[in-house]
Amino acid sequence: QKEVEQDPGPLSVPEGAIVSLNCTYSNSAFQYFMWYRQYSRKGPELLMYTYSSGNKEDGRFTAQVDKSSKYISLFIRDSQPSDSATYLCAMNLNYGGATNKLIFGTGTLLAVQP
Amino acid sequence: SQTIHQWPATLVQPVGSPLSLECTVEGTSNPNLYWYRQAAGRGLQLLFYSVGIGQISSEVPQNLSASRPQDRQFILSSKKLLLSDSGFYLCAWSGARDTQYFGPGTRLTVL
Repeated sequence: QKEVEQDPGPLSVPEGAIVSLNCTYSNSAFQYFMWYRQYSRKGPELLMYTYSSGNKEDGRFTAQVDKSSKYISLFIRDSQPSDSATYLCAMNLNYGGATNKLIFGTGTLLAVQP
Repeated sequence: SQTIHQWPATLVQPVGSPLSLECTVEGTSNPNLYWYRQAAGRGLQLLFYSVGIGQISSEVPQNLSASRPQDRQFILSSKKLLLSDSGFYLCAWSGARDTQYFGPGTRLTVL
């Protein structure tokens, strides 16, 4: 079993839709959770990070963590064609520290149709 | 602000040839540095990380090696490339208490 599972998609939605992207994980010791956005042929860029359970909102993006279910989500409101990208979840045991190794999901490809 | 550079952006090399990819970070000192490979449908695989000059940790056995000759420079090398070395190579950095930030990547095709 992989430590982090993520549906690869592709997920196609019409412009303006609410998008829900999800990851499940097996290691209950993970504490820090991140979402990266990766456009085609580019490096991943950090979108959001959260600590432990709860919600965090940044503009049209909301990150949600449910540690009891080992489940994290990223919601995108009023989706735009410019949101079309691959979304990677990532998590680790310790934020910062000497090694700060992240465990990544395989990414979900999102296409927002105009 | 911090900036991370990688070059070359793309590279096509024959099997058996050597490889040298370079990564440099600006605007920070003593960063942790990472090399990842991204293959289609397989996510990001951590290859090497470094917490300081000359300090390299390898995550997977392979015919690649890494070096950190300067504080903000990280190099990925190979003496003889294999077909399986093709992929998208990403360098990342992190601060002491920070998450990782990625460079633009190098797309390597081994023929």
